[in-house]
Amino acid sequence: AQKITQTQPGMFVQEKEAVTLDCTYDTSDQSYGLFWYKQPSSGEMIFLIYQGSYDEQNATEGRYSLNFQKARKSANLVISASQLGDSAMYFCAMREDFNFGNEKLTFGTGTRLTIIP
Amino acid sequence: DTEVTQTPKHLVMGMTNKKSLKCEQHMGHRAMYWYKQKAKKPPELMFVYSYEKLSINESVPSRFSPECPNSSLLNLHLHALQPEDSALYLCASSQILAGGGRTDTQYFGPGTRLTVL
Repeated sequence: AQKITQTQPGMFVQEKEAVTLDCTYDTSDQSYGLFWYKQPSSGEMIFLIYQGSYDEQNATEGRYSLNFQKARKSANLVISASQLGDSAMYFCAMREDFNFGNEKLTFGTGTRLTIIP
Repeated sequence: DTEVTQTPKHLVMGMTNKKSLKCEQHMGHRAMYWYKQKAKKPPELMFVYSYEKLSINESVPSRFSPECPNSSLLNLHLHALQPEDSALYLCASSQILAGGGRTDTQYFGPGTRLTVL
């Protein structure tokens, strides 16, 4: 069963607009973490933002915020005021915390975001 | 500083060659990871080291041999690879939180693009 689902293979957004990248997840664990990573064409995976399953507030990091809806099992990434440098592949990932010290990250299939000038 | 370095950036090797990939971090992280990423796919976990000991091997063929000589270094020794092993190899590290518990955010290096001829 797919644990992380990203339904948008590609998105085109006008520069300076806000964009929402969708992510839904499936777990029976009560304790887990959700991450977003950005991967430019150079290949490096850049950590953007983290949300713990027990965190009551949505995480924010600069222009990035995570819209966490636990009951719906969704963890959408919102990028405000998009910039040309935001063009990249974006991966949602989940860490299930049932195996302390040996947790794995499960990645979604990614969304390729293209910012149009 | 959240820097993970990897060398070389690019590697071309024949099927009979032996080569090694190197990963280094100086963040004091005690968990280190190797991932393989094929084009247009998410990263796939290969190996996890916790406290310099191999804790997870995701059924990786023996032509890939990991080594963790100390807490800052992670190597991946390659021997008799196949053309289908051509991929981006990513190294990551994370802190193991107090009490030997959960691992923290994984930070990735820039990767090594491997081509097997």
